[in-house]
Amino acid sequence: ETGVTQTPRHLVMGMTNKKSLKCEQHLGHNAMYWYKQSAKKPLELMFVYNFKEQTENNSVPSRFSPECPNSSHLFLHLHTLQPEDSALYLCASSQDLLAGGLEQFFGPGTRLTVL
Amino acid sequence: DAKTTQPNSMESNEEEPVHLPCNHSTISGTDYIHWYRQLPSQGPEYVIHGLTSNVNNRMASLAIAEDRKSSTLILHRATLRDAAVYYCILRDVGGSGAGSYQLTFGKGTKLSVIP
Repeated sequence: ETGVTQTPRHLVMGMTNKKSLKCEQHLGHNAMYWYKQSAKKPLELMFVYNFKEQTENNSVPSRFSPECPNSSHLFLHLHTLQPEDSALYLCASSQDLLAGGLEQFFGPGTRLTVL
Repeated sequence: DAKTTQPNSMESNEEEPVHLPCNHSTISGTDYIHWYRQLPSQGPEYVIHGLTSNVNNRMASLAIAEDRKSSTLILHRATLRDAAVYYCILRDVGGSGAGSYQLTFGKGTKLSVIP
């Protein structure tokens, strides 16, 4: 596979469930990102990892927990979510964070619905 | 943050050139101009970026006004696959922290391509 892949593509979960989103990049990049895209809001940066180290947490609630075991994989662990957390969750990667990571490559996203 | 203004929608006939405008009158000297597009049910896709000079790549051309207060994304021959929402984004890549990584998407321009 090439590029950035995300699984699952669609997820429906209850407010008491625990689930995880997975992102994998096959581009040899060192920086990875989680974004949230809601229907009525612009794209929001959630977390940034560079060489497996978290460099940014953009004031994200603790019910979202990221994990980056290596430069190719990124997870987003979800627990006790709220209905307003329903959105498209996008993973992206870039070569590194120099100059703000000019070109970011996005995965197709996971469409999350919280009931 | 400097803001951008784009038309809500545009139409183009297939195989004709398309000029997508973007106004950014409050752009600062260290702001790069980025263009991304998002096809239906997909993650955003990088198109092109520039600082002062016009830029060309395999996907498009970017024409930047001399005063940098506006720019135009040029698709030389529109295809049905180019139907997407196109986002013009300013990023101060000289900074640090989440602001320099954040891709702040506005509403963009929805491009429709007519066969």
